[in-house]
Amino acid sequence: QVQMLQSGAEVRKPGSSVRVSCQTSGDSHSSYTISWVRQAPGQGLEWMGRVIPIFGVADYAQRFQGRITITADKSTSTAYMEISSLRSDDTAVYYCARGGGAYAYWGQGTQVTVSS
Amino acid sequence: ELVLTQSPGTLSLSPGERATLSCRASRSITTNYLAWYQQKPGQAPRLLVYGGSTRATGIPDRFSGSGSGTDFTLTIGRLEPEDFAVYYCQQYDTSPYTFGQGTKLEIK
Repeated sequence: QVQMLQSGAEVRKPGSSVRVSCQTSGDSHSSYTISWVRQAPGQGLEWMGRVIPIFGVADYAQRFQGRITITADKSTSTAYMEISSLRSDDTAVYYCARGGGAYAYWGQGTQVTVSS
Repeated sequence: ELVLTQSPGTLSLSPGERATLSCRASRSITTNYLAWYQQKPGQAPRLLVYGGSTRATGIPDRFSGSGSGTDFTLTIGRLEPEDFAVYYCQQYDTSPYTFGQGTKLEIK
């Protein structure tokens, strides 16, 4: 059974950066795309970007270009999402999800709080 | 980017009734790469339908997806108490893989 385990909650100050990890287990296929989706308090889902581990290629939503980096370590089946220059409106739950489009498997979510 | 608009924003129905949720795209999704998710408070989204009309594994057959081009629909045949949640559509035809703003299905 596929499981995606994310790192724990983070609190950061404005202007700093944060890295969230997502480890996949229960599946031998490392070729799946890993995507990141966030949800601000009381808001909807926002697609941020994705990485294709076997190629090491990432693709980002325009609004995050230059501010996020999504990477993957095939050897540990772990994907990472780092976001820099944090602002208060980056406060959200960040989810990883597996797949090239429709996401059947999700991490449990990581709360990132940006506050001075 | 491809914008998805869901309607209504909130739908108030009673258990046993039929629910019809709409998702309209700003341009045609020729591949039918359109998914529907259910989300309950404090939980990650749950995939219900992909490819516009294919139910995901383990999803009850009261959930059905339909549509093509720019107009897609999620129908819940007879509402069960556990179906009251927020529903999102998502297109995965063109990056960025955008979501609709959601429809809240609440108990009347």
